[in-house]
Amino acid sequence: EVQLVESGGGLVQPGGSLRLSCAASGFTFSTYTMNWVRQAPGKGLEWLSYISSSSSTIYYADSVKGRFTISRDNAKNSLYLQMNSLRAEDTAVYYCARDGDGSGFYYDYWGQGTLVTVSS
Amino acid sequence: SYEMTQPSSVSVSPGQTASITCSGDKLGDKYTFWYQQKPGQSPVLVIFQDSRRPSGIPERFSGSNSGNTATLTISGTQAMDEADYYCQAWDSSTAVFGGGTKLTVL
Repeated sequence: EVQLVESGGGLVQPGGSLRLSCAASGFTFSTYTMNWVRQAPGKGLEWLSYISSSSSTIYYADSVKGRFTISRDNAKNSLYLQMNSLRAEDTAVYYCARDGDGSGFYYDYWGQGTLVTVSS
Repeated sequence: SYEMTQPSSVSVSPGQTASITCSGDKLGDKYTFWYQQKPGQSPVLVIFQDSRRPSGIPERFSGSNSGNTATLTISGTQAMDEADYYCQAWDSSTAVFGGGTKLTVL
């Protein structure tokens, strides 16, 4: 069974940093592109970042470029999101999502999400 | 940046057909994907590559995409289909989501 479990969320002050993790199991993690997607309270979905299976290709949404860094450790079956210079508008539930078919175009499995609250 | 527009809400009676649209410039030239999200839950993929259903998704869910509009159709809508629905596509190395449509079954 495919499982994605996010962790690392919590309360952080504006300007602070946080590192999210996503532990993957039930599939060969090293062969899948992965993504981070977030959802602000009561709002829609917002794609944040994409990382290819070998980490050779990475994309970011403009809203987080230069502040967030995606990475992965295939030996540990884990995906990460380093978030710096956090702002109130970064408050959201953060999901990791698996690429559906290798194209990177869509997401067939999602984690349960981890809540990040940016507030003083 | 690319934008995808959905109606904020759609209402349907049980057993009837619900249609949720998603519009974007030349959207028909891209693949569109659809996700269902129920309150407090993570999104679930219901349609990929415009019209294909993942395993486990009921046949009443179907999709189409042409011109500037993609459509998610739910035939014989059931109360359990009440949820938020999001369309998604890729443009210029960026994934884009529509704003979401709240489907009410009443």
